[in-house]
Amino acid sequence: KAGVTQTPRYLIKTRGQQVTLSCSPISGHRSVSWYQQTPGQGLQFLFEYFSETQRNKGNFPGRFSGRQFSNSRSEMNVSTLELGDSALYLCASTEGRTDTQYFGPGTRLTVL
Amino acid sequence: GDSVTQMEGPVTLSEEAFLTINCTYTATGYPSLFWYVQYPGEGLQLLLKATKADDKGSNKGFEATYRKETTSFHLEKGSVQVSDSAVYFCALLQSFTGANSKLTFGKGITLSVRP
Repeated sequence: KAGVTQTPRYLIKTRGQQVTLSCSPISGHRSVSWYQQTPGQGLQFLFEYFSETQRNKGNFPGRFSGRQFSNSRSEMNVSTLELGDSALYLCASTEGRTDTQYFGPGTRLTVL
Repeated sequence: GDSVTQMEGPVTLSEEAFLTINCTYTATGYPSLFWYVQYPGEGLQLLLKATKADDKGSNKGFEATYRKETTSFHLEKGSVQVSDSAVYFCALLQSFTGANSKLTFGKGITLSVRP
């Protein structure tokens, strides 16, 4: 079974731009969660989507948003990028029966 | 709220040494506990998990036991290899019907194993 895939793997943007990251979960997994990883703050939960609905949300500003499609693929969007948004963004898909999350390789976003 | 505390790092060991990485948690109810590992330039890989008190998770020679009385989930390995060099994260997951999937992570600890 293929793992979680994330595209692109690397992105470089400038302040004020917006960015969209994509995540394809493991086949059969309906829940997708997003996390931000930075050296200073560690791993922080952004949001979770299940059956195209946001089910849980972390403490991030409204510039961070996401959505999920009927095939369970998910996107997250960050608008009006700030330097502090530079991070590794990780997507995880959840095996429903065990609630175990499996992570993708991440997208490394650099904001200049 | 929920929290996970890991011992301060980094940790440097010689090959074949014994490894212990401490992890304690604060949570209401009965969370599930996990260890994830991150190799340079990669995402998180699930190493092992335990879903209830006294459960022992094990994988690739690593073990951790869910101790509710001490709210701990310490990671151990009897003989580390150079290939075990990575960052290790302890995490917990609260299980609520219909609203779930938020992992709470510790800060992570970097393990370096010398040949």
